[in-house]
Amino acid sequence: GEDVEQSLFLSVREGDSSVINCTYTDSSSTYLYWYKQEPGAGLQLLTYIFSNMDMKQDQRLTVLLNKKDKHLSLRIADTQTGDSAIYFCAEDGGATNKLIFGTGTLLAVQP
Amino acid sequence: DTAVSQTPKYLVTQMGNDKSIKCEQNLGHDTMYWYKQDSKKFLKIMFSYNNKELIINETVPNRFSPKSPDKAHLNLHINSLELGDSAVYFCASSSAWMQYFGPGTRLTVT
Repeated sequence: GEDVEQSLFLSVREGDSSVINCTYTDSSSTYLYWYKQEPGAGLQLLTYIFSNMDMKQDQRLTVLLNKKDKHLSLRIADTQTGDSAIYFCAEDGGATNKLIFGTGTLLAVQP
Repeated sequence: DTAVSQTPKYLVTQMGNDKSIKCEQNLGHDTMYWYKQDSKKFLKIMFSYNNKELIINETVPNRFSPKSPDKAHLNLHINSLELGDSAVYFCASSSAWMQYFGPGTRLTVT
């Protein structure tokens, strides 16, 4: 199947770390992605990871990939109120390049 | 210097009407896509074109017809609009593995 699952909601305090989790199903995916969607806005590509990597760090963002468990996570260090948004993980659909999106996690950052 | 643009941003129309949404990208990408985001924020691919040729057509009613006049444009025409078509429609383009999304078109069918 093509189900990519995420928890629906995460609430953190400003300055804390946030960890958003994702479970995907297609082990043949080459790339996995994290997108951010602010209210009323489009999808912003935050970061991606190649499937043969375990970890990727990009400033405040750390992506961890566990291929065995098909588990992807996004850690945001020093979370700010501007990080409040819906975060989507996505896997590529193989040769067609279509993205299969997760259900989205709403991150609420409390001041 | 907008990369992927869509018009209109909002579209309110009545059931049974026919409407079009336009998408343009200035990134020089070969592949363009349409995604639908429903009221629960779930995102799903609808169509994909590569160099003006249809390569993905996911179980979408044939009331939806994409058209790509050139590789920088991918328009979406919807006939006989139904209430269930209300959603946000996102256009995207890609070169290799990175997809860039437009700002979305919020379609409301009354």
